[in-house]
Amino acid sequence: NAGVTQTPKFQVLKTGQSMTLQCAQDMNHEYMSWYRQDPGMGLRLIHYSVGAGITDQGEVPNGYNVSRSTTEDFPLRLLSAAPSQTSVYFCASSRDASTMNTEAFFGQGTRLTVV
Amino acid sequence: GQSLEQPSEVTAVEGAIVQINCTYQTSGFYGLSWYQQHDGGAPTFLSYNALDGLEETGRFSSFLSRSDSYGYLLLQELQMKDSASYFCAVHRGSTLGRLYFGRGTQLTVWP
Repeated sequence: NAGVTQTPKFQVLKTGQSMTLQCAQDMNHEYMSWYRQDPGMGLRLIHYSVGAGITDQGEVPNGYNVSRSTTEDFPLRLLSAAPSQTSVYFCASSRDASTMNTEAFFGQGTRLTVV
Repeated sequence: GQSLEQPSEVTAVEGAIVQINCTYQTSGFYGLSWYQQHDGGAPTFLSYNALDGLEETGRFSSFLSRSDSYGYLLLQELQMKDSASYFCAVHRGSTLGRLYFGRGTQLTVWP
């Protein structure tokens, strides 16, 4: 199994550009989420989804949109990139949103620089 | 909201035991998880505690006291490969996949 796959691994954007970070999982996991990681800040939750068609905001949702049209895919869209969005982005999935199976599986990250 | 506090850095020598503490303040607390992250890598799951007490998984153990809003990760027989960042994370509400992370503790293991 590939697990959680994120693309691209690296990206440089100009201020004001838009782009989509891709995330796909092949484990039939119900729950998916996006985090950003900045130095000294840990991982902060951006958006999450408890299943296809259902999304909700996390701690730092401003400037980002998500959708979940299939169980497998959970793309993150930057609407108008800003230098403050320079970060490492991680996608994660968990088997079930409401059971005791709590392990989250993370992708390898997308390193985004906005200039 | 929620807040989690953990030390920013810990150092130890090979073969030693180290304890990384985590205190939290949050509504809707459901459980506490620990994750390991090597430089440039993805976080990986170590343990989960929902009830008070100690959970042991090989060289790693995790403890939770819900009444004290406190937990810790205990690493025994330290090895060089244990040098990494360690994050505690709270599960809020019944959506257990929704994790809120602390800022991480950088563990350095010296030979």
